[in-house]
Amino acid sequence: NAGVTQTPKFQVLKTGQSMTLQCAQDMNHNSMYWYRQDPGMGLRLIYYSASEGTTDKGEVPNGYNVSRLNKREFSLRLESAAPSQTSVYFCASTKTQGIGEKLFFGSGTQLSVL
Amino acid sequence: GNSVTQMEGPVTLSEEAFLTINCTYTATGYPSLFWYVQYPGEGLQLLLKATKADDKGSNKGFEATYRKETTSFHLEKGSVQVSDSAVYFCALSADGGTSYGKLTFGQGTILTVHP
Repeated sequence: NAGVTQTPKFQVLKTGQSMTLQCAQDMNHNSMYWYRQDPGMGLRLIYYSASEGTTDKGEVPNGYNVSRLNKREFSLRLESAAPSQTSVYFCASTKTQGIGEKLFFGSGTQLSVL
Repeated sequence: GNSVTQMEGPVTLSEEAFLTINCTYTATGYPSLFWYVQYPGEGLQLLLKATKADDKGSNKGFEATYRKETTSFHLEKGSVQVSDSAVYFCALSADGGTSYGKLTFGQGTILTVHP
């Protein structure tokens, strides 16, 4: 029973490099989310996908792109990494967008941009 | 916009002490309120939630009551254990439209419990 799986767990990039963070869920959830976690700031929403085939910007979308590849997978791409994108990235999913819906989180990707 | 403010941390307690972590929020309408917990090296897990005013969420000895009059959702536990050491996040989910799944988080409070 894997839940939400993120890869890689750790990554070091140089400024200007690109990479894609992968996320997959096996709970047949409709909605998926990407958050970043920075010290003293809690988690902030980057992008979300309410359902397969749709994506929308969250609070801090600049410098990122996303793809909802299918119902299971939701990837986050950094086209040209910057030191300000050093953070821990979490993918999450929910079955619906109903009131009080619980988010299921992956274990995170720790990204350092030098 | 929506916002969540948690008490400054970190919080350090001895085992069996009483815990309170304060959380206040600003939101339009009637948000749902949550406490999530993050253990070292793991993702966040839902601890408890409340979806309307005066509701009390509870789980694993933790409790929080949705107080609309004071816009608060303080987390309490009567007797903490070493295993409760973690980071605790207060969060809200705005009502209306399709925004339910998007959470606004507080900055997190680090709790350390010593034997």
